[in-house]
Amino acid sequence: EDQVTQSPEALRLQEGESSSLNCSYTVSGLRGLFWYRQDPGKGPEFLFTLYSAGEEKEKERLKATLTKKESFLHITAPKPEDSATYLCAVQSSGNTPLVFGKGTRLSVIA
Amino acid sequence: DVKVTQSSRYLVKRTGEKVFLECVQDMDHENMFWYRQDPGLGLRLIYFSYDVKMKEKGDIPEGYSVSREKKERFSLILESASTNQTSMYLCASSPRYGYTFGSGTRLTVV
Repeated sequence: EDQVTQSPEALRLQEGESSSLNCSYTVSGLRGLFWYRQDPGKGPEFLFTLYSAGEEKEKERLKATLTKKESFLHITAPKPEDSATYLCAVQSSGNTPLVFGKGTRLSVIA
Repeated sequence: DVKVTQSSRYLVKRTGEKVFLECVQDMDHENMFWYRQDPGLGLRLIYFSYDVKMKEKGDIPEGYSVSREKKERFSLILESASTNQTSMYLCASSPRYGYTFGSGTRLTVV
């Protein structure tokens, strides 16, 4: 059974204080690993897809990396508008539904 | 811009009512999904569909049914609403890999 574990559950940062969010996964043949951002009361918004170990993607202050067992979402010099819940999900081989982690709730304080 | 539209942002229904949650996508995606999201439990898959008139049970289908008469529309039906179905409901569509989510429906059953 595919599983995704995200840590920490919640993270509080000062503005400008860089950090990383972790996503550990077990999957029978990784088709893709996905990162989403979710603001309160809204649907998740797509950030990145990673397909193979060693792959990295960047968008503004966010950088996602992937190994064979985990993914990291690195946040460099965060701003208060980066406050959100960040969700990680995996898709295994074939046309299977995504399996989500429970998310990391990030708060960035000015 | 691609869109997944959920018909209601907020809904209040009485126990025992039959409730319809509508989801429409304009991306010609074959795959559509319904999740519910609860604090501490993350996103849980209710039902999904890979084609018109086709449906598959997810992890928590009890108390729900779905309908997909047209490719662009996927409806979630609560046959007899109960208070434990109070939740945030999220619809998503996908071409094959990755999802686009709707903005969610916050359902309260009283």
